[in-house]
Amino acid sequence: AQKVTQAQTEISVVEKEDVTLDCVYETRDTTYYLFWYKQPPSGELVFLIRRNSFDEQNEISGRYSWNFQKSTSSFNFTITASQVVDSAVYFCALSEEETSGSRLTFGEGTQLTVNP
Amino acid sequence: NAGVTQTPKFQVLKTGQSMTLQCAQDMNHEYMSWYRQDPGMGLRLIHYSVGAGITDQGEVPNGYNVSRSTTEDFPLRLLSAAPSQTSVYFCASSRLGGSYEQYFGPGTRLTVT
Repeated sequence: AQKVTQAQTEISVVEKEDVTLDCVYETRDTTYYLFWYKQPPSGELVFLIRRNSFDEQNEISGRYSWNFQKSTSSFNFTITASQVVDSAVYFCALSEEETSGSRLTFGEGTQLTVNP
Repeated sequence: NAGVTQTPKFQVLKTGQSMTLQCAQDMNHEYMSWYRQDPGMGLRLIHYSVGAGITDQGEVPNGYNVSRSTTEDFPLRLLSAAPSQTSVYFCASSRLGGSYEQYFGPGTRLTVT
């Protein structure tokens, strides 16, 4: 069965520090998709990125970057020069094309607090 | 487009009461689902639907019923509320297939006393 683990329950940093959120996944499918969602204090869930299992290129979007490594089953998320507005809960999630289709399995989430 | 809408935003129930959480989407998405979010447990799938007339159980279906009579609507029914169902409930929709991002509603915060 698929599983997503976010071992860091809470992280606290000072503004402008870089921070990496870890995500480790388990799946038996060869075709799968990994996602990151952000949940700010207001409570809504905001989609950040999707990566498919055949594309191991790292991705950068502004201060955000993602490192996908199939060899270690990890899909880590780095925020460079963190800001107070980055404070949120971040979720990593997995879907499997063959086994579970659209169903998402979420990790437990990492609460990131960026202090001024 | 309104996206995914959920009502109510907040609800307090007494143990044993029943209620329906409403969810609607206007994006013509085939896939809809319900999650509950509890502290330290991420989001867990309750029920999902791949189209009108088709529903299936997720990870934590006990105590909940769903139906999908139209593409747009996917209500979640609590048959006899229990304190263990105190949670934040999110409805989501997407196109069918694992590659598509899911769009989430704003959530319903339910307290069962």
